[in-house]
Amino acid sequence: GAVVSQHPSWVICKSGTSVKIECRSLDFQATTMFWYRQFPKQSLMLMATSNEGSKATYEQGVEKDKFLINHASLTLSTLTVTSAHPEDSSFYICSASGRSDTQYFGPGTRLTVL
Amino acid sequence: GQNIDQPTEMTATEGAIVQINCTYQTSGFNGLFWYQQHAGEAPTFLSYNVLDGLEEKGRFSSFLSRSKGYSYLLLKELQMKDSASYLCAVRDNGNKLVFGAGTILRVKS
Repeated sequence: GAVVSQHPSWVICKSGTSVKIECRSLDFQATTMFWYRQFPKQSLMLMATSNEGSKATYEQGVEKDKFLINHASLTLSTLTVTSAHPEDSSFYICSASGRSDTQYFGPGTRLTVL
Repeated sequence: GQNIDQPTEMTATEGAIVQINCTYQTSGFNGLFWYQQHAGEAPTFLSYNVLDGLEEKGRFSSFLSRSKGYSYLLLKELQMKDSASYLCAVRDNGNKLVFGAGTILRVKS
């Protein structure tokens, strides 16, 4: 089956620093990657959609200057949380889809901002 | 707008059958997905329906009625490891997934 990895699996950082999260599709080419955020006991909320080689499309209410997304290749997308604050602490999950359009999810990254 | 409803919690007994319902009202429809999510982990794909009817995959089956905006996930021969959150998600015409809040299923022995 399709495998998507994320790195790191968890990260703790100080307020004001930036954190980069990587999402990789390991055995297929992901034409589209999605970034979600999930707060405790809540469902996944889509943050942005990115297609390889083009700018990401952000959902309403998501600051594009704060959450920088790069999708430079068909197997890698990165999310950078800039100047992180405690309210950015959350579970960040990426998903990738290729030809089948089914989204396969990465294992998630738990971000804690102190 | 987008609205997806599913029960918050359900409890069932090991070995039994449980049905988790999902109703949706979305601006576009290009398929309905069910995912399983264990606490602290990412969702795992379970099933996909785009046409009306029942899709069966082992102990899991999923049903869709597009005219009623309704789907259900049926889990048979419940096992303790099935305790998890089950997410119903509708894909809109633009390939985005809109998730329901999830149903927490507790399987008791």
